[in-house]
Amino acid sequence: ETGVTQSPTHLIKTRGQQVTLRCSSQSGHNTVSWYQQALGQGPQFIFQYYREEENGRGNFPPRFSGLQFPNYSSELNVNALELDDSALYLCASSPAGGRPGELFFGEGSRLTVL
Amino acid sequence: AQTVTQSQPEMSVQEAETVTLSCTYDTSESDYYLFWYKQPPSRQMILVIRQEAYKQQNATENRFSVNFQKAAKSFSLKISDSQLGDAAMYFCARYSGTYKYIFGTGTRLKVLA
Repeated sequence: ETGVTQSPTHLIKTRGQQVTLRCSSQSGHNTVSWYQQALGQGPQFIFQYYREEENGRGNFPPRFSGLQFPNYSSELNVNALELDDSALYLCASSPAGGRPGELFFGEGSRLTVL
Repeated sequence: AQTVTQSQPEMSVQEAETVTLSCTYDTSESDYYLFWYKQPPSRQMILVIRQEAYKQQNATENRFSVNFQKAAKSFSLKISDSQLGDAAMYFCARYSGTYKYIFGTGTRLKVLA
């Protein structure tokens, strides 16, 4: 069984640029959520997608947007990058019919904004 | 406010000993779930244990157990017979259908040989 995979693992951008991060959810999982983990902090919930619809969003500005595709893979897009966007971005999937709140995480994408 | 607080930034435990990590939370909801996740240096977060708020019985998973005090909004993790592989960041988290996930700031656990 393939777990949650994320790409790229590391990337460097400059302020003002745009970035797209990708996530392939675990087989049989139809819910994907994204988290921002700043250095030394806990993950912060960005948003969640269920069957291609956003069904929950944390306290992040609209320049953070996402998509979920029919195969349940997902993208996180961040526009107009700011220095504070530097963080580890974690994707997590949850199984259809699974126990509420149980997450299976990928290893993350480390974004550095210069 | 919907918050999760881990007041211990770092803890150390001797191999084979027992350690308890603290977590408190704030919520106005009655239906929620509590979790402990482990994040080893490889970065991938792994579920350690979960607790449904409506259940009075404390959850256990092998060497891991929780002390869930609903009225006090406290959810501590006890690790028995600590092993070197237990060294990691541990995050307490609360989940509800309304607010989704809220994580604490983490406790770094060091296991001393």
